[in-house]
Order: sequence, then C-alpha cells, then structure tokens
Amino acid sequence: AQKITQTQPGMFVQEKEAVTLDCTYDTSDQSYGLFWYKQPSSGEMIFLIYQGSYDEQNATEGRYSLNFQKARKSANLVISASQLGDSAMYFCAMREGSPSGYSTLTFGKGTMLLVSP
Amino acid sequence: EAGVVQSPRYKIIEKKQPVAFWCNPISGHNTLYWYRQNLGQGPELLIRYENEEAVDDSQLPKDRFSAERLKGVDSTLKIQPAELGDSAVYLCASSLSLAGGALASAEQFFGPGTRLTVL
Repeated sequence: AQKITQTQPGMFVQEKEAVTLDCTYDTSDQSYGLFWYKQPSSGEMIFLIYQGSYDEQNATEGRYSLNFQKARKSANLVISASQLGDSAMYFCAMREGSPSGYSTLTFGKGTMLLVSP
Repeated sequence: EAGVVQSPRYKIIEKKQPVAFWCNPISGHNTLYWYRQNLGQGPELLIRYENEEAVDDSQLPKDRFSAERLKGVDSTLKIQPAELGDSAVYLCASSLSLAGGALASAEQFFGPGTRLTVL
C-alpha cells in the first residue's frame, strides 16, 4: 500500500484565489512528521511546511497552511491568495518514527498546480 | 551558508557506459540521501547514510549502482553500466541526524539534482 497518496494529478486556480492540495497518508506509528515540498520547473525541492503528529495546532507558514486531520490521516496543503509563482509540482511526504530514530522521507507522486492570471 | 552542492548538473551518456555523480552536503549534516526522481513522479530513496554508514540501501539496485561516503562528508553515486531506464534526475539531500533522539521535523535540504539522459 502506498504510504502517501496525492489523488490530484493537476490543479488549476486563478491568481489570488485559495487552493487546497490533498494528501492522505498511511502509517501505524504514533510519532511521525508530514512535510510539503514545492518543485518548480527548475527542479529544486523547496521545503514549505511541516506538521508533527503530536502537534495540536495546524501548521502555518505565511500563505501556506496545513489542514491536519489525524483521525482521517489527511494533511492537505492550503495556499491562500495564489500567485503566478506558485505554479509548480507539490509533493507531500512523511517521515515515520522507530526506536532507532526516524525514517527517510517517503514522497507522494505529486500534484501539478497551475496558476492563471 | 552554502546549500547542498551536486555535480554535474546534466549528463548525457550512451547505454552501457559508466557515470558518477558527486554531492557535498550542508556542513554539519550527518545524514545524506540519494534519491532518484523519474519524470512526473516523486523522489524515491536509493540510499541513506548516517555519517559513513549506509543505513538504508534496500532500494539501491546493487548489481549496477554503488555509492560511497568515505569520510562522512561528501558522497559519490555510481552507475555501471548505465541502462536506458536509468534516465532520471538524481537528487542528493542532507539533514541533521535521524538516529535515536532525532526530531521528526529535521528538514531535508535538497541539492539541484543531476539530470541523467541515457541514449
């Protein structure tokens, strides 16, 4: 079974509108972390936001917020007031816990976001 | 502070040729990762190092791929011989240690990647 599922291959949004990118995850660990990365056409992976499994509040970083619903195992990224520069691939990723430490990030397949003027 | 450095940025080779990629992580980062990213997909881990030790190489095709991190700093990933299906972007990343007592939030910083094309 996939550990990270991103069901939206592509999303379109108009500039200044908000958009939600979906992510569901699968883990039996109690301690884990969820990440979102942005990958523009230039190829670099840019860290956006992090949510820990024990965090009670949803994470926010500027225009990015993470809608964390633990019982549903979802960690959706919300981008408010979209900008043209937000056009990129967006990846959800998870790091699981273990007695010896944490695992490497496991990535979803990504969602391509296109922002139109 | 310098980020993760990778070279070369692009490489075109013919199948059956060898190729090597180099990565220098962020100073102080004990953990180094090599990922492969196929077109339209997310990165997939090939190998992870904690200092000099490879702690997760279960996804590394060991018949043709090899990696080393001799002094626990920079690392080299090699493919010999390359196949057509190896065409991808090879990403290197680094982070603070993920060993016992680590934080789940330890951010992974990625290099710009090496785009490999095998003809």
